[in-house]
Amino acid sequence: GDSVTQMEGPVTLSEEAFLTINCTYTATGYPSLFWYVQYPGEGLQLLLKATKADDKGSNKGFEATYRKETTSFHLEKGSVQVSDSAVYFCALVNTGFQKLVFGTGTRLLVSP
Amino acid sequence: DTGVSQDPRHKITKRGQNVTFRCDPISEHNRLYWYRQTLGQGPEFLTYFQNEAQLEKSRLLSDRFSAERPKGSFSTLEIQRTEQGDSAMYLCASSTNTEAFFGQGTRLTVV
Repeated sequence: GDSVTQMEGPVTLSEEAFLTINCTYTATGYPSLFWYVQYPGEGLQLLLKATKADDKGSNKGFEATYRKETTSFHLEKGSVQVSDSAVYFCALVNTGFQKLVFGTGTRLLVSP
Repeated sequence: DTGVSQDPRHKITKRGQNVTFRCDPISEHNRLYWYRQTLGQGPEFLTYFQNEAQLEKSRLLSDRFSAERPKGSFSTLEIQRTEQGDSAMYLCASSTNTEAFFGQGTRLTVV
């Protein structure tokens, strides 16, 4: 079945450092890919998405490019802030948008 | 519209009791999902509805779990005879054809 694999955390960075969180997927067909962010005690917020190969999703300085050849959707940000500290989830949904399949999440800790 | 709303936000119950959670989706969304999230894990799919029809149920959803969506509007998730292993965050989401939006979740603690 469909699955998502994320790098284990926590990822610990200093403010203004460059961020990469790796995500790879296994899916039949042509999935859409997503990054969600979860702050402590809260639900999930959609951060960005890409619906086809070579699409780049971007939001709030975060970017991710849908790479079909490497089945990857790595999350990047050029300069992280303390307020970016959260858990980040990579997810996919296959044709027909029937259900999201999530990775296990990567915790990001940014120190001043 | 303020997004997906879940009630209650927190529930503490004794083992063996029944609990019911409610989810109000974004009004124009006809798809509604329930997920369960345990500490340090990603959300796991439980079930989803298209309007009032329950189209898929995960094997995670034992016989003690039941979900309904009468009239295709709000949904309820009931857990009967709760067990300590049911302690988790229960997330509801509703979607368009391209994006899913999540509620704040209901945190269940079974003592």
